[in-house]
Amino acid sequence: RKEVEQDPGPFNVPEGATVAFNCTYSNSASQSFFWYRQDCRKEPKLLMSVYSSGNEDGRFTAQLNRASQYISLLIRDSKLSDSATYLCVVKESSNYKLTFGKGTLLTVNP
Amino acid sequence: GAGVSQSPSNKVTEKGKDVELRCDPISGHTALYWYRQSLGQGLEFLIYFQGNSAPDKSGLPSDRFSAERTGGSVSTLTIQRTQQEDSAVYLCASSLVPSGGQETQYFGPGTRLLVL
Repeated sequence: RKEVEQDPGPFNVPEGATVAFNCTYSNSASQSFFWYRQDCRKEPKLLMSVYSSGNEDGRFTAQLNRASQYISLLIRDSKLSDSATYLCVVKESSNYKLTFGKGTLLTVNP
Repeated sequence: GAGVSQSPSNKVTEKGKDVELRCDPISGHTALYWYRQSLGQGLEFLIYFQGNSAPDKSGLPSDRFSAERTGGSVSTLTIQRTQQEDSAVYLCASSLVPSGGQETQYFGPGTRLLVL
């Protein structure tokens, strides 16, 4: 089983749609969780950290379920500029390595 | 301020040749990481440097890969006797503190390596 698994995608949605990304991780020792965004032929950039109580940043909401080892990202009112690959990332507390999922490609269409 | 920079941005080489990839981390960041992203694959951890500590080389795929970090700043990743399967984007990242917590790793633009 892969350490971090994401929806294979790709997702194609119209502007204004709500889209959800799902991610599961296999290592129960994982303690830190993130969503990164990667534009085509660009480097990954941190979108948001994911906290146990869930957190929101504007149109973006992240949720964590430790019991199920599941992470989600919800994008509301999607914009054309949201088109990118979304990477689910986990890290153990005792470790500095980030473990990345393969990512899910999102295309928002006009 | 300046972000993580990498050079060259693109490198085409012939099978069997050696290549050197360079990373300049963000000034003041003590931790530096190398990752590799192959086509259709997720990012794969290669090596980690923190201050004067011995690097964690556990992610290096073979002994053809090596890296060093001079003066706690610039790092060079060297691939000897390149193979076609080495073709990938090599990404460098740096962070202010090495472990624990939610500190952010900032990535450079990467070096796209193509081995013919």
